[in-house]
Amino acid sequence: AQTVTQSQPEMSVQEAETVTLSCTYDTSESDYYLFWYKQPPSRQMILVIRQEAYKQQNATENRFSVNFQKAAKSFSLKISDSQLGDAAMYFCAYWAGTASKLTFGTGTRLQVTL
Amino acid sequence: DAGITQSPRYKITETGRQVTLMCHQTWSHSYMFWYRQDLGHGLRLIYYSAAADITDKGEVPDGYVVSRSKTENFPLTLESATRSQTSVYFCAINPGLAGGEDEQFFGPGTRLTVL
Repeated sequence: AQTVTQSQPEMSVQEAETVTLSCTYDTSESDYYLFWYKQPPSRQMILVIRQEAYKQQNATENRFSVNFQKAAKSFSLKISDSQLGDAAMYFCAYWAGTASKLTFGTGTRLQVTL
Repeated sequence: DAGITQSPRYKITETGRQVTLMCHQTWSHSYMFWYRQDLGHGLRLIYYSAAADITDKGEVPDGYVVSRSKTENFPLTLESATRSQTSVYFCAINPGLAGGEDEQFFGPGTRLTVL
């Protein structure tokens, strides 16, 4: 079974600085998708960024980028120029396509300080 | 806005009572999902449905029942609520899963407390 591990329950970053959230996963599949979701206090789940495993190029969405290391099964999220609005829970998730469900990590709570 | 509504948004009930959480989508997308979110576990899949009248168990289905008589509705029922079912419940859809699309859209969640 696929598993997703987020080893940092909490992280803190100063406004305008850069922070990296870690995620590792375990799978025997060769083709799959990886996601980072943001959950602010409103509880809404918001997709931040996605990465298709067959693509070697790391995905980027404005201030958010990933470091995807397929051989190491690692998928970290880098947030540049952190803003107060980035404070939230961040979940890493895996989807193999054929499984029809997302497998989530346990989440990392990000604090952004002035 | 993916057009997913959940009701109620908040619910307090007592042990042993039956509770139904509703999920409604404004479109007719095939795949719908129910997750629960608990501290230390992230989101875990309870049940999912590939189409009307087709449902299947997820990771944590015990104590829950689902039905899907209409494509746009996917209710989740706790037949006899227990304290361990206190959680936040999310409904989700994947508009294009049958075609291999890769994003799920989530409803706003229902916070359920079982006393």
